Parts: sequence; structure tokens; C-alpha cells
Amino acid sequence: AQKVTQAQTEISVVEKEDVTLDCVYETRDTTYYLFWYKQPPSGELVFLIRRNSFDEQNEISGRYSWNFQKSTSSFNFTITASQVVDSAVYFCALMGNAGNMLTFGGGTRLMVKP
Amino acid sequence: DVKVTQSSRYLVKRTGEKVFLECVQDMDHENMFWYRQDPGLGLRLIYFSYDVKMKEKGDIPEGYSVSREKKERFSLILESASTNQTSMYLCASSNRVGTSGNTIYFGEGSWLTVV
Repeated sequence: AQKVTQAQTEISVVEKEDVTLDCVYETRDTTYYLFWYKQPPSGELVFLIRRNSFDEQNEISGRYSWNFQKSTSSFNFTITASQVVDSAVYFCALMGNAGNMLTFGGGTRLMVKP
Repeated sequence: DVKVTQSSRYLVKRTGEKVFLECVQDMDHENMFWYRQDPGLGLRLIYFSYDVKMKEKGDIPEGYSVSREKKERFSLILESASTNQTSMYLCASSNRVGTSGNTIYFGEGSWLTVV
């Protein structure tokens, strides 16, 4: 069985602070994929990143960066110099090798205050 | 641009009513999904379809059915709505099965309230 845990249900920061959202996963698959999605108040899930299990290189995209550590089964997401527009619920998700279905974590609500 | 469109953003239905939630994607994707989102539970898969007229149960199919008569359209049906089906429903699509790891794209969601 697959499982994704986002231990932080809610985080509040002040604008320009850095913030890290934690994600820990469990799977028995040797090949798997990890995702992060952003859900703004409008409701749509916006795809942010996909990472496969063979690529542990960290990735940076503007103010966003991701730290994938297979040894600790974690795929953490950091926002540098947070902005009010970053306020949203962020979901980490796992896709195993068997198909195209995603297992989601419970989500982390990020509130960035001006 | 990727586009998954859900026909109704907000619905209020009475207990026992039959409810249809419609979803259309314009990316020629083979796979389509219906998820339900509830506070503290994240997103849970109700049904998915990997081809026209094909469907598979997800984690929580009870009380729901689906229909996929055309590739671009995937409907979620609540045969007799109940108050515990009050939730946010999200439709999604992705490329064909066998290309594991393909990104799943989501619609804006449909907020259903059953009274």
C-alpha cells in the first residue's frame, strides 16, 4: 500500500520569509513518481513538479525548490521569499509503477501574511 | 494549454436526488479520473477510466457510478444523493496507461452540497 504524509496541516508566515513544506511517503515500488500540486482558493489543483524515483537531484524553479531524499523517503518543498500569492493548500502526491493513479497527502495550508 | 472543464462549480441538491457531474478535457487524454476532496482527508479516488466505456473502481466507489461514452467526457453520477456526499469533487485527466508517471491535470472542482 502507498501512503503520503504531510505532517504540517497549517503554516503561517510573514511575507518574505522562507518556508518548507514537508512530505514523507511510503511505497514498495522500486519505480515511482512524486508530485507537488498547489490549490489556490479558486479550487483548481495546479501542477508544480514531477520527480521520478531515479532522479534524486534537487530542483530549483524561481523561488521554488524541491529536496528529494530517497534515504528518508522525503520530498520537501521550499518557497524562498514567500509572497501573499503563495497562500494556498499544497499537496504532495505519489504515483506507483502500476498505473496512473495518485495517492495524495492530506495537504498543507500555507498562509502568507503581508 | 491543458484544459479540464467541470460543468458546474456549485450545486445544491436534495437528499435522494440523482446528480450528474460532468467533466470534459480537450487534451485527447485516454485516462480520466474523479476524486473527492474532504478536509483532513486529502483527495480520494472514486473512479477512473482508461478508455471509452471502460471504468475501474478507486478507493471509495460506494454510492457513485460513472459514464464514459466519449473520450473527452467523463461523468460522475450519484444515483441517490446523501448528505455524506457533500464535498468538493475534482475531475482529472492524463495520458494513456502504460506511460506511468504522466502528469495528471485537474479541473477547477465542483462544490456539491446535499441538503
